[in-house]
Amino acid sequence: SQQGEEDPQALSIQEGENATMNCSYKTSINNLQWYRQNSGRGLVHLILIRSNEREKHSGRLRVTLDTSKKSSSLLITASRAADTASYFCATVHSGYSTLTFGKGTMLLVSP
Amino acid sequence: GAGVSQTPSNKVTEKGKYVELRCDPISGHTALYWYRQSLGQGPEFLIYFQGTGAADDSGLPNDRFFAVRPEGSVSTLKIQRTERGDSAVYLCASSSGLLWEEQFFGPGTRLTVL
Repeated sequence: SQQGEEDPQALSIQEGENATMNCSYKTSINNLQWYRQNSGRGLVHLILIRSNEREKHSGRLRVTLDTSKKSSSLLITASRAADTASYFCATVHSGYSTLTFGKGTMLLVSP
Repeated sequence: GAGVSQTPSNKVTEKGKYVELRCDPISGHTALYWYRQSLGQGPEFLIYFQGTGAADDSGLPNDRFFAVRPEGSVSTLKIQRTERGDSAVYLCASSSGLLWEEQFFGPGTRLTVL
């Protein structure tokens, strides 16, 4: 079963705008990871945030984690057409080493 | 360096046939994972190897599915008596073996069961 639930399911924006995707989960985690999947390509790891962290940055990416609400958000600033992809959050349950993925958010960035 | 590779990239088979899907992880990675991804869904965990042994096979849907990693490197996912519902993209990932860190994914094998 899939634990993470991304919101929205689909997002369409213009180049230069910011994109925000949210993820909610159900049980306690060790960390939460965001992955990107382009059409026809494999999954690429973007960023990992641990349960004791609240915010993390990597280039144009900003991830927040609120363990009290069991939710995370991914912000992509100044989006580009090349950011068009599906974005998945994946959680590592406490005591496990495997990833549980959500259904993903499809992001379309138009030039 | 080379990433995770998977062969074949596409596999079409008939219902009831046996298939083998191969994964070659990043050199030196001790952990190897298999996932299955259906259209419009996120990947679903199947099995996890640490070295040669299956550390967690709780995601295998039934006993038609089996995976091996005899020398702690290349892994083969084996599916017996394939069913149409087995059609999906099968993804392999590897990691250095430290718990809870990022995984590196291969491009996947698209399996179609007719």
